[in-house]
Amino acid sequence: GEDVEQSLFLSVREGDSSVINCTYTDSSSTYLYWYKQEPGAGLQLLTYIFSNMDMKQDQRLTVLLNKKDKHLSLRIADTQTGDSAIYFCALPRGSYIPTFGRGTSLIVHP
Amino acid sequence: EPEVTQTPSHQVTQMGQEVILRCVPISNHLYFYWYRQILGQKVEFLVSFYNNEISEKSEIFDDQFSVERPDGSNFTLKIRSTKLEDSAMYFCASSGGSADSPLHFGNGTRLTVT
Repeated sequence: GEDVEQSLFLSVREGDSSVINCTYTDSSSTYLYWYKQEPGAGLQLLTYIFSNMDMKQDQRLTVLLNKKDKHLSLRIADTQTGDSAIYFCALPRGSYIPTFGRGTSLIVHP
Repeated sequence: EPEVTQTPSHQVTQMGQEVILRCVPISNHLYFYWYRQILGQKVEFLVSFYNNEISEKSEIFDDQFSVERPDGSNFTLKIRSTKLEDSAMYFCASSGGSADSPLHFGNGTRLTVT
């Protein structure tokens, strides 16, 4: 299987919360990242969490880390149409080089 | 906020030609990277660069690829003889004072090989 796995699609209504999930196999990472990619654009560092943390909140974003289950999630509260993008989970495996998941396409319906 | 800049935004080249993709990392960053993303596929690591040498590279980064930091600001990726399958978005990234600092990416160069 993949080292970093994500669902490919998530569809939500505007105003609802979105939860994007990521599972991984290698737990040696210091940082675990979430990147956002809007259509035709680059990879924007959205947020990250240290591996010694369980949760990080940053305005509408909440990152949860369950090291036992090797599960990382990104919750976006009050999702807006401008949040429509591809969201990548990324974490270093073995070395410090981040490995990316395939990305989750978030589609926000008005 | 400082950012990574890449030029050109789109490059079209013929198979067999050499291309050079250019990047200006964030000025006080020490670690530099190239990734690529073939349309609809994963973002894949190519190479990392620190202290004027390659620190790590993937199996994709074969003899056709090379990187250089020709001066204090630019970081380039050269593909010697492009193939159709090199068509992809190429992203440059840089990170700060330690190897595990978060990576900041540029907007990418879309390379189309015809």
